[in-house]
Amino acid sequence: KQEVTQIPAALSVPEGENLVLNCSFTDSAIYNLQWFRQDPGKGLTSLLLIQSSQREQTSGRLNASLDKSSGRSTLYIAASQPGDSATYLCAVSNSGYALNFGKGTSLLVTP
Amino acid sequence: GAGVSQSPSNKVTEKGKDVELRCDPISGHTALYWYRQSLGQGLEFLIYFQGNSAPDKSGLPSDRFSAERTGGSVSTLTIQRTQQEDSAVYLCASSGHNSGNTIYFGEGSWLTVV
Repeated sequence: KQEVTQIPAALSVPEGENLVLNCSFTDSAIYNLQWFRQDPGKGLTSLLLIQSSQREQTSGRLNASLDKSSGRSTLYIAASQPGDSATYLCAVSNSGYALNFGKGTSLLVTP
Repeated sequence: GAGVSQSPSNKVTEKGKDVELRCDPISGHTALYWYRQSLGQGLEFLIYFQGNSAPDKSGLPSDRFSAERTGGSVSTLTIQRTQQEDSAVYLCASSGHNSGNTIYFGEGSWLTVV
């Protein structure tokens, strides 16, 4: 069974810092990997989707990398802002549809 | 609609009662998913519908849980004889017909069983 782990569980940084969130998975035979953001009391918003053949995806200040062989992905957030405060979830698909989620990293960016 | 719509947004029910949760996916999306998020836990896959194919029910935790999707669009998740451990946020998501597409989530139905 695919196990997804996210480190750290919580992170607090001052505004303006660059930061890295980590995700690891046990079964490297993945179809794709997706990073989501969840605000309190809200659903999930997809940030970046990386197919298994890709190494990274970028969107604005966000960059996600994928190293399938080592079972790792990182989400890099540049020049963090208080509005980036949320829980960030990593999800891996081995089948092309069902996602296995980590428990998330709770990020707080202080002004 | 513009996004995945779920109702009710909040539901408090007594233990032993049945509940129905509704999901209206993004128009044109053929894939529909139900997930459950319990307090302090990760998201748990429940069931997946793709077009007219038989659904993948492998994530349903017990036979008290069932789901259907009518006309390839709206889906209903039914929980019979609710238990306190069923208290969670039930999230619905949908995606396009190509596997590997981005999955879009609704804001969830918050279920509390008292």
